[in-house]
Amino acid sequence: SQTIHQWPATLVQPVGSPLSLECTVEGTSNPNLYWYRQAAGRGLQLLFYSVGIGQISSEVPQNLSASRPQDRQFILSSKKLLLSDSGFYLCAWSASGIYTDTQYFGPGTRLTVL
Amino acid sequence: AQTVTQSQPEMSVQEAETVTLSCTYDTSESDYYLFWYKQPPSRQMILVIRQEAYKQQNATENRFSVNFQKAAKSFSLKISDSQLGDAAMYFCASSAGGGADGLTFGKGTHLIIQP
Repeated sequence: SQTIHQWPATLVQPVGSPLSLECTVEGTSNPNLYWYRQAAGRGLQLLFYSVGIGQISSEVPQNLSASRPQDRQFILSSKKLLLSDSGFYLCAWSASGIYTDTQYFGPGTRLTVL
Repeated sequence: AQTVTQSQPEMSVQEAETVTLSCTYDTSESDYYLFWYKQPPSRQMILVIRQEAYKQQNATENRFSVNFQKAAKSFSLKISDSQLGDAAMYFCASSAGGGADGLTFGKGTHLIIQP
């Protein structure tokens, strides 16, 4: 069966510091991968998605970037964090191919920028 | 572009009773999918139920069922025999079919189960 991991689970970072959040998927090949952010009391906002190694699509221009160095690894980064980057970050995967609709989510990372 | 609207910020139901959560959506796609996700206090998003827009039959998963009204662009979730473990945020979401685009989420409904 497929599993999705995210780490760290919780992170507290000062403003201006760098960020690296990691997501890995097991039990499937060539998944579509997604990064979402959930601000307090709100729904999820799609940040990035990837259909393959090195292929990244950005939905919202902001202080963040994403990379996919390996087939089942998706990384969310920032060079300098802002207060507004605080939130709950969720990684998700869906199967590759034509029927890619259903997404499965990881446990998330709670980021607090002080 | 797709939009998803959940007009009930919070709902409350007695344990063992039935509750319906509302969702409306708007899309220009002819092929799309609709979902309900549950987010318990742990905050992990858990898939509850999925509906293909081209299917007229409403999806059912155990105590969870949907009322999909395509013409009205309505997609409500019915939870029967509510249990304490059903307490969570519930999010309605849509996606365009046949592609790897992300999901569009509503703002969620907080479901409270009264013992």
